[in-house]
Amino acid sequence: AQSVTQLDSQVPVFEEAPVELRCNYSSSVSVYLFWYVQYPNQGLQLLLKYLSGSTLVKGINGFEAEFNKSQTSFHLRKPSVHISDTAEYFCAVSSGSARQLTFGSGTQLTVLP
Amino acid sequence: DTAVSQTPKYLVTQMGNDKSIKCEQNLGHDTMYWYKQDSKKFLKIMFSYNNKELIINETVPNRFSPKSPDKAHLNLHINSLELGDSAVYFCASSQGVRVGETQYFGPGTRLLVL
Repeated sequence: AQSVTQLDSQVPVFEEAPVELRCNYSSSVSVYLFWYVQYPNQGLQLLLKYLSGSTLVKGINGFEAEFNKSQTSFHLRKPSVHISDTAEYFCAVSSGSARQLTFGSGTQLTVLP
Repeated sequence: DTAVSQTPKYLVTQMGNDKSIKCEQNLGHDTMYWYKQDSKKFLKIMFSYNNKELIINETVPNRFSPKSPDKAHLNLHINSLELGDSAVYFCASSQGVRVGETQYFGPGTRLLVL
């Protein structure tokens, strides 16, 4: 069985400050990890994903994430956030023969002026 | 030229009614999905179709019936609507069913049952 835990439900941060959104996963087999972003009243959009290879993955809008197998984590980072980054961020996992994505509960990132 | 579109965007209806939500994708993908997002933003898979064949059918009341007339469309029909069905329903599609495929989401249908 696969599961995802997003430890922070809300993260407020000031504009131009760095941010890290935490994600831990649970799976007994190899995993594929995703971060999606949901802007207000919109659908989800892929930010980045890890399938294999380099553990540091770069995505859109200046975001990056690092896959850490020993800590079963896939934290999302951005060195300097903008007001426009205010959104809900979802971590998701797909593993083994599972055809579906399992999503975390989401982290609301609010960027303050 | 929206990639994954859903209609309607908003749906307000009374308990006991039957309603349908439509989804279309113009990406040429083989696989489509329905997700339910509850009031706490928790997102859960309901169904998935690959080439018009049902491949994922999670524990969902049988009042919910998906239908895929062709690869580009996946509709969701809900009978005898209940208060607990109020949620945002997202359609998504992916190229195929390989693990690790990116899913592309529609804008959502906000259903409110009164």
